[in-house]
Amino acid sequence: DAGVTQSPTHLIKTRGQHVTLRCSPISGHKSVSWYQQVLGQGPQFIFQYYEKEERGRGNFPDRFSARQFPNYSSELNVNALLLGDSALYLCASSSGTLEQFFGPGTRLTVL
Amino acid sequence: AQSVTQLDSHVSVSEGTPVLLRCNYSSSYSPSLFWYVQHPNKGLQLLLKYTSAATLVKGINGFEAEFKKSETSFHLTKPSAHMSDAAEYFCVVSIASGTYKYIFGTGTRLKVLA
Repeated sequence: DAGVTQSPTHLIKTRGQHVTLRCSPISGHKSVSWYQQVLGQGPQFIFQYYEKEERGRGNFPDRFSARQFPNYSSELNVNALLLGDSALYLCASSSGTLEQFFGPGTRLTVL
Repeated sequence: AQSVTQLDSHVSVSEGTPVLLRCNYSSSYSPSLFWYVQHPNKGLQLLLKYTSAATLVKGINGFEAEFKKSETSFHLTKPSAHMSDAAEYFCVVSIASGTYKYIFGTGTRLKVLA
């Protein structure tokens, strides 16, 4: 079975631009979470969606938004990019229980 | 509120010697605890998890961890380090309520010397 997939793998943007990151969960999983991992730090929780409803939001500015589609895939959008948004963005899926399965991540570089 | 503290940012061991990566947690509720490993330019892989069953948890690749409520600790151990164990390790706490979000520690980089 396929694991969690994310696209693109790498992305380079300039300050002020916006970006959309995509995630496909494991088949049958209805929950998707997004995490930001800045170099040298542990991942930080951004959003969690379950059955297309936002279940939780971390301490991130409103420039960050997300949504989940009927097929349970998800998008993370970041507007007005800042240099500090450069990070590895991880998507995780779960069946609605505690255990989360992580994708390989999208490496975003903001110049 | 929940939090985890990984007590060492870097650990170096010789190949074939024991590994100990330390993690303390704080939680208002009965926590679930996890250890993940991240190899360079890779995603996160689950090593093991504690979810209120047996306090000694065995994971993949010979790793194990013991949940000690009295010490609020969940240290990761392995009897004999292998070169392939060199990676970043994260301790994670979560609770079975509400968001189920993961709270990560800051990570411990394990170096294995030949």
